Amino acid sequence: DSGVTQTPKHLITATGQRVTLRCSPRSGDLSVYWYQQSLDQGLQFLIHYYNGEERAKGNILERFSAQQFPDLHSELNLSSLELGDSALYFCASSELAGGPGTDTQYFGPGTRLTVL
Amino acid sequence: GESVGLHLPTLSVQEGDNSIINCAYSNSASDYFIWYKQESGKGPQFIIDIRSNMDKRQGQRVTVLLNKTVKHLSLQIAATQPGDSAVYFCAATSGNTPLVFGKGTRLSVIA
Repeated sequence: DSGVTQTPKHLITATGQRVTLRCSPRSGDLSVYWYQQSLDQGLQFLIHYYNGEERAKGNILERFSAQQFPDLHSELNLSSLELGDSALYFCASSELAGGPGTDTQYFGPGTRLTVL
Repeated sequence: GESVGLHLPTLSVQEGDNSIINCAYSNSASDYFIWYKQESGKGPQFIIDIRSNMDKRQGQRVTVLLNKTVKHLSLQIAATQPGDSAVYFCAATSGNTPLVFGKGTRLSVIA
């Protein structure tokens, strides 16, 4: 168990809908990263937050947004869902702000999103 | 930008044998590399990392080798066990740029 929690574990919804995925980092970690894992694209970095502030953006669609709250949990909002958004969504946390090269990222168990 | 690829999508090894999983990266500026293990239904789990100022790093039953000349790294697992069955990813980054992951190699251990 990495100490990172994600809810829900599974989510099934329809095209055009909006969902919110939640992540709680390990105790003491201030950085949260979101990733999308699909069969054809592998693990893709979406966005990084540190202590409530956005630090880096990856291949995140404009339909997707995220935030990190004062208690350090983070939410990933996905709107106007399309079939191609079906994937596993992982969050990872780390202690420091400096990005992936500075300290280890610990991954949560993921949320499996299915868009029908 | 960086791209990371693995040489083989699947690898089968006999229990007790050593496993070698290979990875290639494209950006010569990449200076930090990580191997992750992902078991079915779980998130990626950190195994071992290496910085570009090193050629080799050892952990418990695992060794990572880095060849910067040909932009190649490998993960060696000694005395492979059934519990090692999983998908293994390498990831690379330069400075504080986001991690770029390879597509993964599925390791199957034959008892």
